[in-house]
Amino acid sequence: EVQLLESGGGLVQPGGSLRLSCAASGFTFNDYAMSWVRQAPGMGLEWVAAITGSGGDTYHADSVKGRFTISRDNSDNRLYLQMYSLRVEDTAIYYCVKGSSSSRPYYLHYWGQGTQVTVSS
Amino acid sequence: ENVLTQSPGTLSLSPGERATLSCRASQSVTRNYLAWFQQKPGQAPRLLIYGASNRATGIADRFSGSGSGTDFTLTITRLEPEDFAMYYCQDYGSSRTFGQGTKVEIK
Repeated sequence: EVQLLESGGGLVQPGGSLRLSCAASGFTFNDYAMSWVRQAPGMGLEWVAAITGSGGDTYHADSVKGRFTISRDNSDNRLYLQMYSLRVEDTAIYYCVKGSSSSRPYYLHYWGQGTQVTVSS
Repeated sequence: ENVLTQSPGTLSLSPGERATLSCRASQSVTRNYLAWFQQKPGQAPRLLIYGASNRATGIADRFSGSGSGTDFTLTITRLEPEDFAMYYCQDYGSSRTFGQGTKVEIK
């Protein structure tokens, strides 16, 4: 059974930093691309970042480019999202999502339950 | 960026009725790489359909997807109580953008 468990969310001041983590189990981690998708309060879904199975290629939405970095540790079956220069508009639930294959194109197959990030002074 | 527009914004129907949800893209979706997700309050989204018309594992056959190019449809043939939720489409072939969602509510 695929399990994705996010952690690392919390309350942070504008301009602050946070590192999200996602522990994956139930599948061969390095065989699949992974993504982060967020959802602001009462809003729709926004793709944030993605990384290929090998970790060799990464992609970031324009809204977070230069501030967020996706990475993975295939030896530990973990996905990360390092977030710097956080803004109020980054407040959202952040979901860790398993892709359907190692590289594009892939659909968002399995979703974790999410971790809440709140940026506020 | 491929802008996906979902309609209607809200669909008010009764259990047992048929639901038809639309997703229109501003540019052709490459090889119909279009997915549909269901999200219930307080829960993570769940994949329903990929490749425009392929049901994900474990998804009931009352859910079906169709369409190509820029126009796609999610149909729920007979609404069950558990189907009242938000539905999102996504182009996963190029821009990875999501539609803004359609809420299916009980009439």
